[in-house]
Amino acid sequence: GNSVTQMEGPVTLSEEAFLTINCTYTATGYPSLFWYVQYPGEGLQLLLKATKADDKGSNKGFEATYRKETTSFHLEKGSVQVSDSAVYFCALSDLPIQGAQKLVFGQGTRLTINP
Amino acid sequence: DTGVSQDPRHKITKRGQNVTFRCDPISEHNRLYWYRQTLGQGPEFLTYFQNEAQLEKSRLLSDRFSAERPKGSFSTLEIQRTEQGDSAMYLCASSLSGDQPQHFGDGTRLSIL
Repeated sequence: GNSVTQMEGPVTLSEEAFLTINCTYTATGYPSLFWYVQYPGEGLQLLLKATKADDKGSNKGFEATYRKETTSFHLEKGSVQVSDSAVYFCALSDLPIQGAQKLVFGQGTRLTINP
Repeated sequence: DTGVSQDPRHKITKRGQNVTFRCDPISEHNRLYWYRQTLGQGPEFLTYFQNEAQLEKSRLLSDRFSAERPKGSFSTLEIQRTEQGDSAMYLCASSLSGDQPQHFGDGTRLSIL
């Protein structure tokens, strides 16, 4: 079945460092790809998405490009802040089920940014 | 937009007891999803409703689990005869249509003693 593999954490960086969190996927068909972020004590929030090959999703300085040839959707940010500390989940939309899209998540990557 | 609301935030119970969780989706959203998240893992899909109809259930949803969405508004997830392995965060999400992003609640954390 469809699956998502993320870079293992935890990841610790200093403020203003460059961030990359790797994500690769296995899927039949052409799923949409997502990054969700979970801040401590909160639910998941959609960070960005891409719906087809070569699309770039971006939000709050984060970017990810849908790479069909490498089945990847790596998350990047040029200069991280302490407030970016959270758990990041890569996800894909599985085959539509009667009008809706079931999400398949990676295991999450915990990011800590030190001042 | 008040967001997806889940109640309670935390439930502690003894093994063998029944528990029920509630999810109130964003008001105009007709799609509602339940996921389960264990420690250190990503959420896993449990079940999906379109309005009041339950259209998909994961193999993870054993016969001890039942979910309802009467009148297509709020939803409940009940676990009967809880087991240690049921300890997890139960997340609810809703969306306006099939290809729209899912909005998640803060979850209900279940701890089995």
